[in-house]
Amino acid sequence: DTEVTQTPKHLVMGMTNKKSLKCEQHMGHRAMYWYKQKAKKPPELMFVYSYEKLSINESVPSRFSPECPNSSLLNLHLHALQPEDSALYLCASSQAPLAGKYTDTQYFGPGTRLTVL
Amino acid sequence: GEDVEQSLFLSVREGDSSVINCTYTDSSSTYLYWYKQEPGAGLQLLTYIFSNMDMKQDQRLTVLLNKKDKHLSLRIADTQTGDSAIYFCFPTLRSIENTGANSKLTFGKGITLSVRP
Repeated sequence: DTEVTQTPKHLVMGMTNKKSLKCEQHMGHRAMYWYKQKAKKPPELMFVYSYEKLSINESVPSRFSPECPNSSLLNLHLHALQPEDSALYLCASSQAPLAGKYTDTQYFGPGTRLTVL
Repeated sequence: GEDVEQSLFLSVREGDSSVINCTYTDSSSTYLYWYKQEPGAGLQLLTYIFSNMDMKQDQRLTVLLNKKDKHLSLRIADTQTGDSAIYFCFPTLRSIENTGANSKLTFGKGITLSVRP
């Protein structure tokens, strides 16, 4: 099973709202990723968690707050977003080593389509 | 960070072969992936090649790697209408450093493959 699930599938929020995106995998992967993808563009890396610890933050604004409560779950908390944050948010997971930072084959979820009004 | 180039659009007739190209800049890339994205969907892993290989064949897919020129290609034999999608190349390293924008997890810009009957 190489499934990564994401909820919700679609989300519409106002600029003053607080919402969360959820990602789950049961492949035993210990690295999880958030990407942002604008229309007709490639995914852009936002965050990487390795063994439930944040290992990469690609200078993402603080209105995006990631959380990895356990090895199967990854959340992205959203607060005071701007209309330009509207995009497809993709979660991925991969194997990870016992130590160090590295990436193995990433498996992607279907994404959450976010619209900020 | 890594600079990954792809041409933007390719149109082929059903039954013909398609060749999608990608050039990258980081010669230390170790694993080079191809992902497929259908409209409104997440990224589907198609195939990958290790940097110590020149060619890999997987059913209708053939991946060619020219490390000297840092050029990666994906050939799809007997292209079908279900192959219509965006294709991204994704060269990665086994070990990545948390250096902000230099995380070395950069997708190619993507090529839209359109298969006409």
